[in-house]
Order: sequence, then structure tokens, then C-alpha cells
Amino acid sequence: TQLLEQSPQFLSIQEGENLTVYCNSSSVFSSLQWYRQEPGEGPVLLVTVVTGGEVKKLKRLTFQFGDARKDSSLHITAAQPGDTGLYLCAGAGDAGNMLTFGGGTRLMVKP
Amino acid sequence: IAGITQAPTSQILAAGRRMTLRCTQDMRHNAMYWYRQDLGLGLRLIHYSNTAGTTGKGEVPDGYSVSRANTDDFPLTLASAVPSQTSVYFCASSDGWYNEQFFGPGTRLTVL
Repeated sequence: TQLLEQSPQFLSIQEGENLTVYCNSSSVFSSLQWYRQEPGEGPVLLVTVVTGGEVKKLKRLTFQFGDARKDSSLHITAAQPGDTGLYLCAGAGDAGNMLTFGGGTRLMVKP
Repeated sequence: IAGITQAPTSQILAAGRRMTLRCTQDMRHNAMYWYRQDLGLGLRLIHYSNTAGTTGKGEVPDGYSVSRANTDDFPLTLASAVPSQTSVYFCASSDGWYNEQFFGPGTRLTVL
């Protein structure tokens, strides 16, 4: 069974601060996805990283896939209240099309 | 409207009752999934279907059953609900490279 651990579980910061969320596993994933979920809604895909060492940027969000494809990080620069939500990482294995989700990081950005 | 719809939005159910959660997608995706989401546990896969006519068990299948008679619909049935099945249930579908999944709005189920 592949497991993904996210840290921290909860994060409360002031607007303008930077933050990093981590997603770690002892297993290798063929790809890793980051989702954002707002209250009362389903998760929405932010990005997919595929290649070890890959870095993708989405405005103020920077996503990195570890060289060994076992871990990933999400860095937010100058966080805004609109970034508030639950961030989930999910890894895809080589067999089948199923995802393993991490437990999530609940982010609150205060104005 | 493109995407995934789920019904009902929320439901309170007495223990022992049978309940079917509905999920419909109009994106013609081959694969569909049912997850439950509980605080601190993220999303856990209940059942999945890679294509119409086939289904498989996920991480937490006990007490749940699914069917996939056609591409669009993937209902989840609780044969005899128990309080531990109180959760938020999400249906998802995928047909893209690297297994990107699209989620419905969820059903909040409370079993008393």
C-alpha cells in the first residue's frame, strides 16, 4: 500500500507571508498531483508533475517533484486570503489509474 | 452543463436503512471513482470502475456496492447503513493522461 504524508496538517498565516507544504512517501509515484478544495466543494486539480526534479509554477504557487519521485512540495509566495482552503497531494502508481491521496493541509490566510 | 453531478446534496439516514448515492458525468470519461472524506484522513477510495461493465474494490469497500451499467452513471449503494458511514462522499471521473480526476460537489451523509 502506497502512503502519502502531508505536513503540516494545519497552517494559519498572515496575508503576505510565504509558506511551504510537503508531501512525502517511501514509495515511488509515476506522477503526482496537487488539488485545492474549498468548503462544500470537490477538489480541483492545480497541477500534475511527472518528471523527477520537475518544477512547475502557477502564478504565486511553485510545485516541485522530488528527484526520486517520492516527494513533492508546494510553495506559495505572498499568500492571499483567496488561497485559503484544503490542499491535497495525490500520487499515481504505475499500475492502473488510481490515486493515493495525502491527508491534506488546511491553510488559512488572514487579511 | 459539463462535469459531474451528485445527488442528494445531503441526507440524514437511520441506521439499517438502504441508501443509494447517485453520480452522473457527461464528459464521456471511461473511469469513475467513489471516495469518502473524513477529517484528517483525506480522501479514501471506496470503489472504482475503469470502464462501463467493470468495477473494482478500493481501500475501504466494506458495506458499499457499486454498479456501472453505462458510461455516464456510477451509483453507490449502502445496503444497511451504519453510523461509521457518516462522511462526505465524492464521485470523480478521469480519462486523461496521468490520471487527472474531476470531482463532483459531494454528498454529505449522516447515519444516526
